[in-house]
Amino acid sequence: GAGVSQSPSNKVTEKGKDVELRCDPISGHTALYWYRQSLGQGLEFLIYFQGNSAPDKSGLPSDRFSAERTGGSVSTLTIQRTQQEDSAVYLCASSLARTGLAFFGQGTRLTVV
Amino acid sequence: QKEVEQNSGPLSVPEGAIASLNCTYSDRGSQSFFWYRQYSGKSPELIMFIYSNGDKEDGRFTAQLNKASQYVSLLIRDSQPSDSATYLCAVNPSNNDMRFGAGTRLTVKP
Repeated sequence: GAGVSQSPSNKVTEKGKDVELRCDPISGHTALYWYRQSLGQGLEFLIYFQGNSAPDKSGLPSDRFSAERTGGSVSTLTIQRTQQEDSAVYLCASSLARTGLAFFGQGTRLTVV
Repeated sequence: QKEVEQNSGPLSVPEGAIASLNCTYSDRGSQSFFWYRQYSGKSPELIMFIYSNGDKEDGRFTAQLNKASQYVSLLIRDSQPSDSATYLCAVNPSNNDMRFGAGTRLTVKP
């Protein structure tokens, strides 16, 4: 695709429900990153994929968070048993290999009520 | 110590002045350095990248890198009100993911 696409753009969910956030990277980009940004805050690193592998999962805040990437393309971030503190904008970025010229999607705004 | 540190600001400069944004990083093995601009309510947008020590200029923007001091900076010449945004410093540490600073909020006053 022309750019990084994230869906949904907005998600309101009840506390305790599971949610899935999707990221479709730029075609050919092998590196994919997930970040979380709370209102007025910086980007909190969650996880990084190189191809389908995630060398570093240390940024995931708890075991309620998981992510996968299939076919070296689409990635899904899953949050189980959502809590109010999970409310934030979840941003996905992709880049060619390790050049780091990463481009961001428009984000998914998650609100847990 | 945070991996990437920035002064959160806010930094306020008059229109036409030079804005200077600074960033330090902790991983000496870091190879690539980036500046992103983020307007309120929008996603970060890549504006500069630098890999080697020294200066890199692109239009009104100059990125400066000093690996010995683990320091990266961004200069914006002839600042415009449209430059008002949060500027995020990002670093590829030796494990090849990408870490961001908390960002510096810049306001350019007409």
